[in-house]
Amino acid sequence: EAGVTQSPTHLIKTRGQQVTLRCSPISGHTSVYWYQQALGLGLQFLLWYDEGEERNRGNFPPRFSGRQFPNYSSELNVNALELEDSALYLCASSRDRGYDQPQHFGDGTRLSIL
Amino acid sequence: QKEVEQDPGPLSVPEGAIVSLNCTYSNSAFQYFMWYRQYSRKGPELLMYTYSSGNKEDGRFTAQVDKSSKYISLFIRDSQPSDSATYLCAMTSLRGSARQLTFGSGTQLTVLP
Repeated sequence: EAGVTQSPTHLIKTRGQQVTLRCSPISGHTSVYWYQQALGLGLQFLLWYDEGEERNRGNFPPRFSGRQFPNYSSELNVNALELEDSALYLCASSRDRGYDQPQHFGDGTRLSIL
Repeated sequence: QKEVEQDPGPLSVPEGAIVSLNCTYSNSAFQYFMWYRQYSRKGPELLMYTYSSGNKEDGRFTAQVDKSSKYISLFIRDSQPSDSATYLCAMTSLRGSARQLTFGSGTQLTVLP
């Protein structure tokens, strides 16, 4: 069974630019979660999508947004990039939105802002 | 105060040692508890997942949950150099639309051959 796949693996951008990160969940999984892992801040929840709808978002500004497609893949968009957006962006998926469904992570996209 | 506190480490042990990794939490709504292992430049890998208070064993790994004390632990028996990684505790609640995981800050473990 293929795991969660993310692309690209690395990105370098400059302040003010926009970026799109992509995630394919494990086959059969309908829920996708996005997390940010920044140095010194740990893993922080960004967004949760299930069945094409945004279900919850973390404490991040509106320039962080995303969507989920009918095939359950997802993309994360970040506008007006700032230096502190440099981080590893992790996508996770779970079988459905049940409380008891564990989340499985991809290897992330490492975003560097110059 | 953070909702989840994790012993920061780093922790260095000889091969074959028993390792104990610990987290405490303050939010009584947390009901599901997980341990993830993260190798350098990789995503977190789910090791253990439990709901009930008590012990859950899987091979060399034992997860322990004490909901009354708001304390969880991961024990690694017969530790191996391949266990060298950062270990993250994570938990989630049963309330409303919350499905996101709240993570501890991670404990970096090195097992010396």
